[in-house]
Amino acid sequence: AQSVAQPEDQVNVAEGNPLTVKCTYSVSGNPYLFWYVQYPNRGLQFLLKYITGDNLVKGSYGFEAEFNKSQTSFHLKKPSALVSDSALYFCAVSSFSGGYNKLIFGAGTRLAVHP
Amino acid sequence: DSGVTQTPKHLITATGQRVTLRCSPRSGDLSVYWYQQSLDQGLQFLIQYYNGEERAKGNILERFSAQQFPDLHSELNLSSLELGDSALYFCASSAGTGADFSNEKLFFGSGTQLSVL
Repeated sequence: AQSVAQPEDQVNVAEGNPLTVKCTYSVSGNPYLFWYVQYPNRGLQFLLKYITGDNLVKGSYGFEAEFNKSQTSFHLKKPSALVSDSALYFCAVSSFSGGYNKLIFGAGTRLAVHP
Repeated sequence: DSGVTQTPKHLITATGQRVTLRCSPRSGDLSVYWYQQSLDQGLQFLIQYYNGEERAKGNILERFSAQQFPDLHSELNLSSLELGDSALYFCASSAGTGADFSNEKLFFGSGTQLSVL
C-alpha cells in the first residue's frame, strides 16, 4: 500500500534559520507527492506538489520541496524561517487502490519557529 | 478562507448518541472528501463523494455513513458514538473527480470538533 512517513513529531528552528521538514514515501510506480499546512483552528491548505519533472518544486509562502527518488524522500524546505511559519505540516501521497485514487496523509510534523 | 463551510464548529455529545456533520463545498466543486483527525491516528481518509455518488472509501467505520445531496452539500452521520470517536472531522472539496490528483487541489474546511463524553 502507498504510504508516507514523517519521522519527526516536532521541528524547532530559530527565526531566520533554514528549516527542513522530512517526509519519506512508499509507493509503487511514480508518486504524486504533496505538502499541506494547517494553521491553528484552520483547515489544511495546499502548499506544493510534485508530479513529474524538476526535482525541486516551489510552492506558497517561500516553501520548496526536493524530490529524491533514490532516497524515496520529499523533504519540505525554506531558506529562512518566519515565526508565522509555525504550524502543522502534512506530507501526502496519491494512492490508487480499489479502483480509485485517495490522498493519503502522513501523521504531520509540528513546526515551531522561535523568535 | 477556503470557501468550504462546515457546521457545527463544535459538538459535544454522549456515548451511544448519533450526530450529523454538515459540509458545503466550494462553489462549483463536485467532489467532497471526509477526513478524521485524531492525536493517535493522524489524518485518516474516510470517504469521498463525487456529484452525489460514493467514489472512494477509506477507513470509515460501519457506524458512520455519508451522503452528498443534489445541491452538492454533504453530511457525515456518526452513530452509536464511542469515546474514541472524539476527533476533528474535516471536509474538503475539489473541482474534479479525484481520479487524478496531479491536476486537483483539495480545499479544506475548518473542521468540526466532536467531543464524545
